Amino acid sequence: SQKIEQNSEALNIQEGKTATLTCNYTNYSPAYLQWYRQDPGRGPVFLLLIRENEKEKRKERLKVTFDTTLKQSLFHITASQPADSATYLCALEADSSYKLIFGSGTRLLVRP
Amino acid sequence: DGGITQSPKYLFRKEGQNVTLSCEQNLNHDAMYWYRQDPGQGLRLIYYSQIVNDFQKGDIAEGYSVSREKKESFPLTVTSAQKNPTAFYLCASSSRGGSANYGYTFGSGTRLTVV
Repeated sequence: SQKIEQNSEALNIQEGKTATLTCNYTNYSPAYLQWYRQDPGRGPVFLLLIRENEKEKRKERLKVTFDTTLKQSLFHITASQPADSATYLCALEADSSYKLIFGSGTRLLVRP
Repeated sequence: DGGITQSPKYLFRKEGQNVTLSCEQNLNHDAMYWYRQDPGQGLRLIYYSQIVNDFQKGDIAEGYSVSREKKESFPLTVTSAQKNPTAFYLCASSSRGGSANYGYTFGSGTRLTVV
């Protein structure tokens, strides 16, 4: 069956450290993968997109990698801040219909 | 400012009632989507529409209905046939093919509770 898996346990790190979140998928062959941030009681906000022919993408303190062999994407936040505390969702296109399938998200807590 | 507006923010439904959740966008996006989010779970697709007057079922369409009479609007009706409607409902939009470049734009959600 098709699955997108993110670590359901919260990631708790010290301010200033790098946070690394994982997204694994099975039985998909996505052309791209996206990452979103969601704050409690709010809708997700798009952060980054990485295509299958890109190994790495950066935006300010954010970095995303995409390994289509391992079927895995890693999402890094460097020099993390308490304001980065949120739930981070990965998403991919299940087929060519432009509809996205989302993982369940990983909650990140950055301690001051 | 362009964006996507969901209303109401909170909605309470009695058993056996139909309720309609509003979603309006002024981004000139062709595609619109409805997702449901339960505590600690990911988003599950209910319905989506890629063009006016056309829509498709998502993974959990039973007990829900939609319409897409205008490009800007994609209301979701939660019918009495939906046995467990208490959840956080999210509406999103994207330009056709835009999700492949710019992702989805989400509304701020409607929290529906059955009382």
